[in-house]
Amino acid sequence: GQQVMQIPQYQHVQEGEDFTTYCNSSTTLSNIQWYKQRPGGHPVFLIQLVKSGEVKKQKRLTFQFGEAKKNSSLHITATQTTDVGTYFCAVSGSARQLTFGSGTQLTVLP
Amino acid sequence: KAGVTQTPRYLIKTRGQQVTLSCSPISGHRSVSWYQQTPGQGLQFLFEYFSETQRNKGNFPGRFSGRQFSNSRSEMNVSTLELGDSALYLCASSAAANYEQYFGPGTRLTVT
Repeated sequence: GQQVMQIPQYQHVQEGEDFTTYCNSSTTLSNIQWYKQRPGGHPVFLIQLVKSGEVKKQKRLTFQFGEAKKNSSLHITATQTTDVGTYFCAVSGSARQLTFGSGTQLTVLP
Repeated sequence: KAGVTQTPRYLIKTRGQQVTLSCSPISGHRSVSWYQQTPGQGLQFLFEYFSETQRNKGNFPGRFSGRQFSNSRSEMNVSTLELGDSALYLCASSAAANYEQYFGPGTRLTVT
């Protein structure tokens, strides 16, 4: 199935600092999805990117899909304690199943 | 719209036993996927059902099986439990397999 590398694995930031997580694939992706999982919770869908070079914003979150559709990033501006959790990217291959990245665990220090 | 529900929420079993987990998808969703989540392996795809048919299967042994009923509710079964099967089992429903997934709260399985 599809393989996707997600970095970094962990990120500690001071509240108010920015945060970015990256997903990289060796193959061209048809689309990419991003999820957030709060501690003790379950993954919650954030967004799906489909087009090459696509940029979408949700308040302080900015999602980008690379021009070659092989990478994506999630950037959070001015983190807040409510941003704590693990952020996953997920990609689908020809088998129509979703493969999740290993996730980036974000800790926000007050 | 009610969300995805999973039962039971917590389960403790002994090695060698079997377990059945249940998932009720969002009304109207015909695709149900199951995932295993562990600290070491992350979120791993088990299988996906659509209209009572298994369409995709992840790289898990045959001890892991599932089914889907005509009302889209799904069950997964793990036979001959091993210690390594201890995990959070998540069910997700969607309109189609690679559309946005709506996850349930999960079943925390502990095998002793």
